[in-house]
Amino acid sequence: DSGVTQTPKHLITATGQRVTLRCSPRSGDLSVYWYQQSLDQGLQFLIQYYNGEERAKGNILERFSAQQFPDLHSELNLSSLELGDSALYFCASSVATGLLETQYFGPGTRLLVL
Amino acid sequence: GQNIDQPTEMTATEGAIVQINCTYQTSGFNGLFWYQQHAGEAPTFLSYNVLDGLEEKGRFSSFLSRSKGYSYLLLKELQMKDSASYLCAVYQTGANNLFFGTGTRLTVIP
Repeated sequence: DSGVTQTPKHLITATGQRVTLRCSPRSGDLSVYWYQQSLDQGLQFLIQYYNGEERAKGNILERFSAQQFPDLHSELNLSSLELGDSALYFCASSVATGLLETQYFGPGTRLLVL
Repeated sequence: GQNIDQPTEMTATEGAIVQINCTYQTSGFNGLFWYQQHAGEAPTFLSYNVLDGLEEKGRFSSFLSRSKGYSYLLLKELQMKDSASYLCAVYQTGANNLFFGTGTRLTVIP
């Protein structure tokens, strides 16, 4: 158990819908990262927040957005869902930001878009 | 940009040694990480290398050559529970995040 929690564990929804994924980092960690993992692709970095502010952005679609709240939990919002958005979504956290900050991953949310 | 290459699949025998290679091309390099991921589970941190050479951690060792853009993960005394995907990830200068390869799926057979 990494100490990172994610809810829900599974999510089934329909195309065009909107969902919110939630992540609570390890106690004391200020950075939160979101990743998408599809069957045919590796882990794709989406976005990072550090102490409430966006720190880095990867291959995140405009239909997706995220935020980190004052209590440091984070939410990833996915809207206008498409079949291709079906994937495992992981959240990771680290103490700070920068070189050699080990990222600890949560158990993931498995999203299925029908 | 960045490009990370790993073999897609490998098979090895219980008790043996296996080496999983990773080559990378990146515009700025600041460290290389290895993660283990069992099917459907979260990746778990194994090791990182910043400087050239070998880092040993129990049954697992990781090697880095920055001039060659090359790393390997060495697993000794393989156990059945080592069957998993092994992900190589590069920390790119200025990008402030990890770029992962697609992973190597290792199957350990009796």
